[in-house]
Amino acid sequence: AQSVSQHNHHVILSEAASLELGCNYSYGGTVNLFWYVQYPGQHLQLLLKYFSGDPLVKGIKGFEAEFIKSKFSFNLRKPSVQWSDTAEYFCAVIYSGNTGKLIFGQGTTLQVKP
Amino acid sequence: DGGITQSPKYLFRKEGQNVTLSCEQNLNHDAMYWYRQDPGQGLRLIYYSQIVNDFQKGDIAEGYSVSREKKESFPLTVTSAQKNPTAFYLCASRHRGEVTEAFFGQGTRLTVV
Repeated sequence: AQSVSQHNHHVILSEAASLELGCNYSYGGTVNLFWYVQYPGQHLQLLLKYFSGDPLVKGIKGFEAEFIKSKFSFNLRKPSVQWSDTAEYFCAVIYSGNTGKLIFGQGTTLQVKP
Repeated sequence: DGGITQSPKYLFRKEGQNVTLSCEQNLNHDAMYWYRQDPGQGLRLIYYSQIVNDFQKGDIAEGYSVSREKKESFPLTVTSAQKNPTAFYLCASRHRGEVTEAFFGQGTRLTVV
């Protein structure tokens, strides 16, 4: 079955530390990939997306992600986190030809200590 | 302003009662989605609809029903058959086709007592 897996469920970092959140998806052909963020008490917002082209995509607030097709991965990175990055992060995938079914991972809660 | 409106924000129901959650969008999006969010389980897809008068079951459709009579509206009914209905429910919409992201509503927290 098509699925998305996020390896880190809860990450705690100090401010200025580097961040990498893992995301893997099951094989299913061409994919479109997304990272969403949910700040406390707010709705989900798009951080970045990959559809085609350069596998290194840059998003808002200094986040970036790299699509590695051979590893079925789309890891999220940020060189230096801030306290305001405390949130829940979700990886999501749409498989080509899957009639627009948007599948999410389990989510990663990031806590940044000041 | 364009967006997705979910109502109500909080909902309490007695066990055994059906309850309908509202989702309205004015983004002119063709596709709409309902997800259930539980701690540690991410967003699980309940139902989705690509066009009016058509919808498909997601991964956890049992105990839920939907309708899509208008492009703007995609209400979700949580029936008494849903064994564990207390959860946070999110509605989303996007343009049909793959090269677009989804936009989300603020969610409805349903508590069944």
